[in-house]
Amino acid sequence: AQSVTQPDIHITVSEGASLELRCNYSYGATPYLFWYVQSPGQGLQLLLKYFSGDTLVQGIKGFEAEFKRSQSSFNLRKPSVHWSDAAEYFCAVGALGSWGKLQFGAGTQVVVTP
Amino acid sequence: GAVVSQHPSRVICKSGTSVKIECRSLDFQATTMFWYRQFPKQSLMLMATSNEGSKATYEQGVEKDKFLINHASLTLSTLTVTSAHPEDSSFYICSASPSGETTNTGELFFGEGSRLTVL
Repeated sequence: AQSVTQPDIHITVSEGASLELRCNYSYGATPYLFWYVQSPGQGLQLLLKYFSGDTLVQGIKGFEAEFKRSQSSFNLRKPSVHWSDAAEYFCAVGALGSWGKLQFGAGTQVVVTP
Repeated sequence: GAVVSQHPSRVICKSGTSVKIECRSLDFQATTMFWYRQFPKQSLMLMATSNEGSKATYEQGVEKDKFLINHASLTLSTLTVTSAHPEDSSFYICSASPSGETTNTGELFFGEGSRLTVL
């Protein structure tokens, strides 16, 4: 069975500092990996996804993620955070042909301080 | 990007009543929509897959008689929480992917969510 682990429930970062959110997955086949962001009371917005090819994926809002098969990880990074990046971030894994059946991690709450 | 809209965004109801939540794809057609449930401070859990013109597929542990799903058109899926109880209070989110593009983009578009509070 597939599963996703986000070890950090809560992260506080200063504005302008770098950010890295961890995601580890367990999946029997080639995973299809996603990062979503959720603002309070809102739905989810896709930041980036990995299907195949280049293991370093660029997304929106200056985010990037790197797929490391050997570590079963798909960590999300941003070099310099903005106050608007404060939100909940979810890593998710899906399977070919069934994108809607995503397995989500528990989420990481990011707080940005001045 | 594509837009998925949910209505209502918030609803409060009395225990024992039924509540309907709508999920619409505004600028694309979706043969399949997905309903997720999110408890406070927790992740999203897939409840069911809504299939246009056919029965929904429910995940294990989700009561199909409790959570009625209807996907009557290519742009609308509804979730009805029947005989709601306080433990049904949650944030319900739907998602959809444009028909015929699922394997190409792999992107799901999520609605804004509907917060249900059962008193």
